[in-house]
Amino acid sequence: GESVGLHLPTLSVQEGDNSIINCAYSNSASDYFIWYKQESGKGPQFIIDIRSNMDKRQGQRVTVLLNKTVKHLSLQIAATQPGDSAVYFCAERYGNQFYFGTGTSLTVIP
Amino acid sequence: DTEVTQTPKHLVMGMTNKKSLKCEQHMGHRAMYWYKQKAKKPPELMFVYSYEKLSINESVPSRFSPECPNSSLLNLHLHALQPEDSALYLCASSQDGTPNQPQHFGDGTRLSIL
Repeated sequence: GESVGLHLPTLSVQEGDNSIINCAYSNSASDYFIWYKQESGKGPQFIIDIRSNMDKRQGQRVTVLLNKTVKHLSLQIAATQPGDSAVYFCAERYGNQFYFGTGTSLTVIP
Repeated sequence: DTEVTQTPKHLVMGMTNKKSLKCEQHMGHRAMYWYKQKAKKPPELMFVYSYEKLSINESVPSRFSPECPNSSLLNLHLHALQPEDSALYLCASSQDGTPNQPQHFGDGTRLSIL
């Protein structure tokens, strides 16, 4: 499969601060990217997606940035809350399937 | 609550047992997926069904046998599993078999092989 890696396996932030989770992808032909959130005991939950014809997309408290030049994806979470504590996965579409990154565990400190 | 329902939530079985995992969605999605997830690892694709036909088998051992009885249901039949098959098995669905839309995941079946 393709390699989709994350720079930091764990991240701790204070409640109310902004969080940035990074993801490197290896295939320049990947054209669609998704961020998922997985809470303990749950399945992955869709957060936000972005296609390769865009470099930024915003949702509610979340922003995804795509830098195709360096094959880098990031997820920004504004005003991080305790409920944001989870593992975050990026996924890239290459060919006819998605490949998941290794995941970053986000812990929010009250 | 997720829109993809998986049963059972937990399953413990011996290596000689036969059991089945079940997945159901009523979103009208025409693609369904099985993933395997080990602890602290990302999900790994096992099978994809598109319009009730098997379209991807990621070289999964034959002791795992998928079945798609209709567009809303997906089963995974298990037989003669090994201890290393213990994992969280996730089912997902999407609108169609081309990965142009996000997948919706269930909360998984946690499988333990004794």
